[in-house]
Formats: sequence, structure tokens, C-alpha cells
Amino acid sequence: GAVVSQHPSWVICKSGTSVKIECRSLDFQATTMFWYRQFPKQSLMLMATSNEGSKATYEQGVEKDKFLINHASLTLSTLTVTSAHPEDSSFYICSAGRDRGEQPQHFGDGTRLSIL
Amino acid sequence: AQTVTQSQPEMSVQEAETVTLSCTYDTSESDYYLFWYKQPPSRQMILVIRQEAYKQQNATENRFSVNFQKAAKSFSLKISDSQLGDAAMYFCAYRTVMEYGNKLVFGAGTILRVKS
Repeated sequence: GAVVSQHPSWVICKSGTSVKIECRSLDFQATTMFWYRQFPKQSLMLMATSNEGSKATYEQGVEKDKFLINHASLTLSTLTVTSAHPEDSSFYICSAGRDRGEQPQHFGDGTRLSIL
Repeated sequence: AQTVTQSQPEMSVQEAETVTLSCTYDTSESDYYLFWYKQPPSRQMILVIRQEAYKQQNATENRFSVNFQKAAKSFSLKISDSQLGDAAMYFCAYRTVMEYGNKLVFGAGTILRVKS
């Protein structure tokens, strides 16, 4: 079946640094990728939708300059948390879909981000 | 905007027994998809079952089945012969159709505990 790889699985860094998280579709071309944020024992909150070759669409309340999303190829999307602070600590999950019409049921394993 | 409500923050079931998780949603669309996802402690998102709104027949996947009531906008999940491995957080999700891709709207989740 389709596999989505997310890296790194866990990262700890100092406040003020930038962190990049990668989401790769390993055996299919993903025209659409989604980035979610999840706090402990809470639901997944959609942050943004990215489409290959175009700008990401951010959900209301998500800072575009804080969470930079790049989807430059059909197999890779990246989320960069810029100038990270402790309040950005969270669990981030990506998902990928094959085309614009398909529900992206393929989730990455998530990235646990801890900002000290 | 579509909303998904899971009114049971936590549920418990004895091993080998049956449990039903509730989910209601609100939408003005006539065609959509509904999903149940399982998130074990590993935090990997696992698709349990999906239902197309235009299909009257309830979806079934082995021990998992749904009771889809379109008029009532209800989509409950029944787990039969519960196993210890079923312990997880369960999310009900609605797929809305966007111009680009199809994003998911998640409920708040239900923590399922299985007692041996």
C-alpha cells in the first residue's frame, strides 16, 4: 500500500532556531499534502494544505511566516517552523493524496517537536 | 462550515464485548465521505473504516461496522469482540470537497480503553 514517510520523528531544539520537517510519499505522486498539529489527547487541527507547484493554503489563525510550507515536488513537502518558541512545541502530522480528487488517507507517523 | 462532534471523551469495554462510539456531524452538502480513524499510543493514524454518503448500506470491515443515519447526520462505530489492541483514540472525520484536494474535518476524539 501507499506509504508516507515523515522525518524526523522527534526533534529537540533551542528557542529561536528554525526546524524543518519533511513529508515524503514513497510510492506515489502526491499532488496534495496536508499538515496537521496535535496537542496531547486532542484532535488533529489542520494547519495548511499544499499543492505541488503552488502556494499553500493556510487555515485561519495559522501564521504563514511562522510555518513555512514548500511542496516543490510531487513526492516531498516540507514544513519549517521559523524562530521556534516553546509554545510551538507539539506533534505535527502530514498526510498525502494522489490527486486533487482523492481523500488523503495516507498519514505520516508524525514529528514530536520540543522547543526548550 | 462542517463540524464533527464526538460526545464521548472516554469509553471502556471488556475484552470480547461490543462497544459503540458515537459521532454526529453537520453539513449542508449532499455528497461526502465519513471516516473512522484509530490512533494508538504510537500516534500513527490508521484508517478503520469509510462510508460514502450516497451509499445506503452500512460499511463493514471485519469486527468494525458503522451505523450511518444520513437524515440524522449520525455515524457511529461498532467494535465487536473487542481486543486489547483496539485500545486507542478514535477519531470520526468528515471529508469536505475543496477546490484543491479534499481536507478532513476531525471530531475531538474518543479514548477507548479495553479491560482484560
